[in-house]
Amino acid sequence: GAGVSQTPSNKVTEKGKYVELRCDPISGHTALYWYRQSLGQGPEFLIYFQGTGAADDSGLPNDRFFAVRPEGSVSTLKIQRTERGDSAVYLCASSWQAHDTQYFGPGTRLTVL
Amino acid sequence: GIQVEQSPPDLILQEGANSTLRCNFSDSVNNLQWFHQNPWGQLINLFYIPSGTKQNGRLSATTVATERYSLLYISSSQTTDSGVYFCAVRGAGGTSYGKLTFGQGTILTVHP
Repeated sequence: GAGVSQTPSNKVTEKGKYVELRCDPISGHTALYWYRQSLGQGPEFLIYFQGTGAADDSGLPNDRFFAVRPEGSVSTLKIQRTERGDSAVYLCASSWQAHDTQYFGPGTRLTVL
Repeated sequence: GIQVEQSPPDLILQEGANSTLRCNFSDSVNNLQWFHQNPWGQLINLFYIPSGTKQNGRLSATTVATERYSLLYISSSQTTDSGVYFCAVRGAGGTSYGKLTFGQGTILTVHP
């Protein structure tokens, strides 16, 4: 079946702008995760959803970052007032339940000029 | 939080050689996954292995949870094995059931 998909694959924006990144999880997966990967580093956890609710948002770096999953499927990561330090690859993953294998999407490469 | 260390950081092999990658973690875990990140950035699942031994073709993995380490074995390496290998764990304690903590990765280069 279809894997995790993310759109757009690349996003270039200017400092101070607002961006939205979308994640479509594997159908039926109840858990969804966002991670961020900087060059040469391993992915770092941002937020985890179980169903529609954010079960753990401890990885969000500040209040410019926000994520939603209103119907328990698609999720959107929203970044306000983007800064150059936000440039990274944003990865989404999903799993059947929280303790199960996580499957990753191809990522969105965000560049803030 | 839990710490994850991978070794070696870099590994260069000739095609056909065998290798072992190591992942050490600082606390009890209830999830451990090995990934291969290909040159296009896609994270590919290799193993879900919080304990025990698994094999898949030329790859195998062993996790000794009581000693807090995992090993990934690659036999008869091929150029397509090149990329970054990540170990990621979820700590058994705490309130987050979802968060994976990744190591820094091992960069594998296989020459023909």
